[in-house]
Amino acid sequence: KAGVTQTPRYLIKTRGQQVTLSCSPISGHRSVSWYQQTPGQGLQFLFEYFSETQRNKGNFPGRFSGRQFSNSRSEMNVSTLELGDSALYLCASSLEGAEAFFGQGTRLTVV
Amino acid sequence: DQQVKQNSPSLSVQEGRISILNCDYTNSMFDYFLWYKKYPAEGPTFLISISSIKDKNEDGRFTVFLNKSAKHLSLHIVPSQPGDSAVYFCAARDISSGSARQLTFGSGTQLTVLP
Repeated sequence: KAGVTQTPRYLIKTRGQQVTLSCSPISGHRSVSWYQQTPGQGLQFLFEYFSETQRNKGNFPGRFSGRQFSNSRSEMNVSTLELGDSALYLCASSLEGAEAFFGQGTRLTVV
Repeated sequence: DQQVKQNSPSLSVQEGRISILNCDYTNSMFDYFLWYKKYPAEGPTFLISISSIKDKNEDGRFTVFLNKSAKHLSLHIVPSQPGDSAVYFCAARDISSGSARQLTFGSGTQLTVLP
């Protein structure tokens, strides 16, 4: 069974630009969550989608948004990028339990 | 306010010995706890979990202990192997958060197993 796939793996963007990251969950998993990992803040919850609906959102500004498609694939978007948005963005998919299975992440660098 | 704390940023143990990683939490609404292992430039890998109704769960070399009264859990790895060298994250689920899959993570402990 294929794992969680995130694209792209690496991305360099300029301040003020926007970026879209993609996540394909494990087949059959309908829940997709996004996390941001930075050296100072650790792993922080961004949001969770289930059946195309956002079920919960973490404490992040409105510049961070996401969506989920009918095939459970998810995208997250960050607009008006700031230097502090440089981080590893991780996507995780789940069945009904709390065990989340993570992708390899997208390393975003904002310059 | 850190609800999940891993107070030891690093731990070194000899190959074959026991590794004990600790985690403390403050939110009494946490009902499910998980441990993840993470290598550099990779996503976290799920290791083992425990429900708040249990005090111990074993899976091969990994055992997680939960002490609810102390709001403390620990991961024991026996015997430790060099391939276990990674960052270990403790995570917890808050059943009242509205999302069964929102996890709150600790800051991680770098485990180094010396050959």
